[in-house]
Amino acid sequence: GQQLNQSPQSMFIQEGEDVSMNCTSSSIFNTWLWYKQDPGEGPVLLIALYKAGELTSNGRLTAQFGITRKDSFLNISASIPSDVGIYFCAGRRETSGSRLTFGEGTQLTVNP
Amino acid sequence: NAGVTQTPKFRILKIGQSMTLQCTQDMNHNYMYWYRQDPGMGLKLIYYSVGAGITDKGEVPNGYNVSRSTTEDFPLRLELAAPSQTSVYFCASRLGGAANEKLFFGSGTQLSVL
Repeated sequence: GQQLNQSPQSMFIQEGEDVSMNCTSSSIFNTWLWYKQDPGEGPVLLIALYKAGELTSNGRLTAQFGITRKDSFLNISASIPSDVGIYFCAGRRETSGSRLTFGEGTQLTVNP
Repeated sequence: NAGVTQTPKFRILKIGQSMTLQCTQDMNHNYMYWYRQDPGMGLKLIYYSVGAGITDKGEVPNGYNVSRSTTEDFPLRLELAAPSQTSVYFCASRLGGAANEKLFFGSGTQLSVL
C-alpha cells in the first residue's frame, strides 16, 4: 500500500507567492526525490536528496531531507504560471532495493 | 538521444483483448521500470528490471507480464484486459549506481479498457 503521505493534495496560489509541500512516512528513507509532471507528460526530476539534513536548491526550488529520514519538504519561491503541474515526492527505503515509492502528488495552480 | 520512447500514445481495448505496450531507451541504462498512474494518484510500480534477462514484480503486477531480452527494450504485456487496467502507463529508466537515482520517464500510454 501507499507508504508516503504527501500534502497538501492541491494548492491554488497567486503568482509571486511562495509554496511549501511535504512528504512524510512511518518508514526511514535513504533517498528523497522531487518530481514535476506537466499535463500529458511523464514526471521530470527536480531535486534529489541523499543525506539526512541535506538542503538542496534548483533555481527557485529548495528541498530538504528531514533529519529523521522520514520526511522531506519542497519549497517554491516567487511562483510563476509555468510552475503549474503536479509535484510528486518519491523515496527509496533501505529494504526496497532499486524500487521507488511515490507520493500521491500535489496539484499546483498558479493564478496570474 | 531520444531518451525513453513509449508506444502507442493512446489505446482503447475491449475486455479480454491483449496488447503489448512498447518501451525502448537509448541511454544504455541498466534499470527499467513500468508504472501505472490512476487519476489523482501517484505512480504504482508494476514490474522492474535491473538488467537484461532479469525482471521482478513491483507493487501491482497482477494481470501483467514483462520481458527484458535486451538492454534497450522492456515491453509490458496485458494478456486479458480488464476495466481495472484503465490507466496511464509510464515506462522509466535509470543508469543505476550510488547517488544516481534520476529516473527518465517516457511520455506515457493512455489505455482504456471498455
